[in-house]
Amino acid sequence: GAVVSQHPSRVICKSGTSVKIECRSLDFQATTMFWYRQFPKQSLMLMATSNEGSKATYEQGVEKDKFLINHASLTLSTLTVTSAHPEDSSFYICSARVAAPTSVGGYTFGSGTRLTVV
Amino acid sequence: QQQVKQSPQSLIVQKGGISIINCAYENTAFDYFPWYQQFPGKGPALLIAIRPDVSEKKEGRFTISFNKSAKQFSLHIMDSQPGDSATYFCAASMALTGNQFYFGTGTSLTVIP
Repeated sequence: GAVVSQHPSRVICKSGTSVKIECRSLDFQATTMFWYRQFPKQSLMLMATSNEGSKATYEQGVEKDKFLINHASLTLSTLTVTSAHPEDSSFYICSARVAAPTSVGGYTFGSGTRLTVV
Repeated sequence: QQQVKQSPQSLIVQKGGISIINCAYENTAFDYFPWYQQFPGKGPALLIAIRPDVSEKKEGRFTISFNKSAKQFSLHIMDSQPGDSATYFCAASMALTGNQFYFGTGTSLTVIP
């Protein structure tokens, strides 16, 4: 089935530095990638939607200059948290829409990245 | 505004029992209703999903019941096992238009031996 590989699974960084999270679709072309943020014991909140080759669409309240999304190819999307601060500490998850859905719904999730900013 | 409302927030069930989680939605344009299972530190994994043209879908021990007129759907886990202990999220989407998922707030299920 369609698999999205997300790396790193965990990252600890110092306040003020930038962190890049990668999501790769391993056996399909991801035309659309969704980036979510999840706080402990809470639901997934959509941050942005990216389509290959175009600018990402950010949800209200999400700083586009802080959370840089690049979807330069059909198999790779990246989220860069710039000038990270402790309040950015969270669980970040990507989700890809399979270009040619073969299963119900045609969406698959990455395994998530636990970001801790110290 | 929470597009999908989920209850209960937490649930404790004995092994072998039935776990029931409920969700309700408002947007009648939603046409795809999945349930996701998430273990700590992992991304959500699709468990089962339904479209509004059917009232029930069963896969193994997992069943979705869908009530279109009431705009409600529920997940039933039969013969609950300790390995089912996880957080479950319902979601809704207009999948055919490639839109985002709207997730419920999650239910933490604990199955005790």
